[in-house]
Amino acid sequence: ETGVTQTPRHLVMGMTNKKSLKCEQHLGHNAMYWYKQSAKKPLELMFVYSLEERVENNSVPSRFSPECPNSSHLFLHLHTLQPEDSALYLCASSQNLAGLNEKLFFGSGTQLSVL
Amino acid sequence: GQSLEQPSEVTAVEGAIVQINCTYQTSGFYGLSWYQQHDGGAPTFLSYNGLDGLEETGRFSSFLSRSDSYGYLLLQELQMKDSASYFCAVRDLTGSARQLTFGSGTQLTVLP
Repeated sequence: ETGVTQTPRHLVMGMTNKKSLKCEQHLGHNAMYWYKQSAKKPLELMFVYSLEERVENNSVPSRFSPECPNSSHLFLHLHTLQPEDSALYLCASSQNLAGLNEKLFFGSGTQLSVL
Repeated sequence: GQSLEQPSEVTAVEGAIVQINCTYQTSGFYGLSWYQQHDGGAPTFLSYNGLDGLEETGRFSSFLSRSDSYGYLLLQELQMKDSASYFCAVRDLTGSARQLTFGSGTQLTVLP
């Protein structure tokens, strides 16, 4: 148990569906992240929030829309996804934003399949 | 930008020692981290090297040589539970978020 909880664990959706991924951290951290993990590829950073404000958006398509209503919760809203978006989506948190030896605490991820 | 190279797969037997190498290219280096991820699980932090040399934590050690842009993770007295993917990561300070850039991961298989 890392203190970061993601739901759902698995999600299958059609290309026309709208769904949301949820992340909650119980660690009192100030920064939260969304990463995409595809097979045999490096983890790709998608979004970064610090104190509920988005500080980075790494050229992610607009069909992914993040939301951070408070420092403990992070959502990723999905709509009109493509099959190539199928991947493991990981949420992470850290005490602060990017200290030199800042540790990331990851959730177990949502395995997304787009049909 | 950043790029990291690490082997895709390593196999070893229980009780052995294994070394997972990581080389990096970066425009601004601020430390090398290692994460472990079991199948279906969350990546978890293992170690951080900000300066040259060896850091030891139990059976795991991590080494860094900044002049060679190289580091490694050393796992001793391997156990079956060490079978997992291991990722090296460096921090990029060029963006406002100072994001961690990860390697593609090394799948370690420990055989009985």
